[in-house]
Amino acid sequence: AQSVTQLDSQVPVFEEAPVELRCNYSSSVSVYLFWYVQYPNQGLQLLLKYLSGSTLVKGINGFEAEFNKSQTSFHLRKPSVHISDTAEYFCAVSDLRNTPLVFGKGTRLSVIA
Amino acid sequence: DVKVTQSSRYLVKRTGEKVFLECVQDMDHENMFWYRQDPGLGLRLIYFSYDVKMKEKGDIPEGYSVSREKKERFSLILESASTNQTSMYLCASSFYPQGQAQDTQYFGPGTRLTVL
Repeated sequence: AQSVTQLDSQVPVFEEAPVELRCNYSSSVSVYLFWYVQYPNQGLQLLLKYLSGSTLVKGINGFEAEFNKSQTSFHLRKPSVHISDTAEYFCAVSDLRNTPLVFGKGTRLSVIA
Repeated sequence: DVKVTQSSRYLVKRTGEKVFLECVQDMDHENMFWYRQDPGLGLRLIYFSYDVKMKEKGDIPEGYSVSREKKERFSLILESASTNQTSMYLCASSFYPQGQAQDTQYFGPGTRLTVL
């Protein structure tokens, strides 16, 4: 079965600093990878996803993620964060057999003014 | 824009009560999902449905059942609520038939259920 590990449960960072949220998955087969964001008191929404092609994926709000097959990682990055990026971020993986998404436990990003 | 609505944002029930959580999507999506979200545990899949009157168990179906009589509506039922079912419940939907793996899920705002 697929599993996803988000290595940091909480990440505090100062405004305008860069941030990286780490995600590793366990799979020996081809996968699809997703990052979702949950702003306070809201449901989740898609930030970006990797299906195939270029390993660098750009998403909404200036976020990007890099798929690294050899390290089974899909880390999320932003070069300069804003207060409005304060949220919980979830990495998710799905194999190509159409089984449901498996989510990580989430990383809470707190941006400090 | 896709809209997924959930019947209540906050709900308080007593132990032993039967609880219905309703979810409606307005974009003719094929697939619907129920998750529960708990601090430190992330999202865990309870049940999902790829078609009307069809349901599949997720990772934690015990104590729950579901109903999908119409394409746009997916109900989660707690037959006899217990305190360990206090949680945030999230509904989601996605478009492609049979829940194709590359599909984006669209989430409702969640229902925070407290069982006393």
